[in-house]
Amino acid sequence: DIQMTQSPSSVSASVGDRVTITCRASQGISSWLAWYQQKPGKAPNLLIYGASSLQSGVPSRFSGSGSGTDFTLTISSLQPEDIATYYCQQGNSFPLTFGGGTKVEIK
Amino acid sequence: ELQLVESGGGLVQPGGSLRLSCAASGFTFSNAWMHWVRQVPGKGLVWVAHIDGDGTGTTYADSVKGRFTISRDNARNTLYLQMNSLRAEDTAVYHCARDRPGPQYYIDVWGKGTTVTVSS
Repeated sequence: DIQMTQSPSSVSASVGDRVTITCRASQGISSWLAWYQQKPGKAPNLLIYGASSLQSGVPSRFSGSGSGTDFTLTISSLQPEDIATYYCQQGNSFPLTFGGGTKVEIK
Repeated sequence: ELQLVESGGGLVQPGGSLRLSCAASGFTFSNAWMHWVRQVPGKGLVWVAHIDGDGTGTTYADSVKGRFTISRDNARNTLYLQMNSLRAEDTAVYHCARDRPGPQYYIDVWGKGTTVTVSS
């Protein structure tokens, strides 16, 4: 199975700050990576797929990059509505696996 | 509107069975590959099972293989998860989810989930 490791596990930032979350795969997955946002009590929401493609309807302050084993999700200017837990997921092969999550909070 | 609505969760004793259902609407269900993903409250997401559009291809997580069966009824636009020999560690919120059309496996539509509690 491909293990997905996210860091940090939590981040506290001010409104307007740039926030970066990283995700590392235990083996190369090309660009087959997605990022999800999950707010408390809600289902996850797809933000990014194919490592860098923005899902329809997602604000442009979210961006993704990387390939192979190392990936990054960036929020260019943190907004209060971005408070959530973010997960990466490899879409390369079964079993699909998710990172452990990164909780984003407002400082 | 794309929508997935799960039902069938509840309290069941260890060793018992439960069948979850997921009603899909707003898209052509028979074309959609589907997944079940579970989440223990406060914990991370865990993929459980996948089924292709006509139901002939299925894949399972090792932790549920041989105990859970994913199936679908395209005439009823409904996805199922039959769960047998349930264990305490199967306790979670179970989300029905649609595989994003296109290459590789991403989930672009999620249901709100149904809660399964395995306890005596």
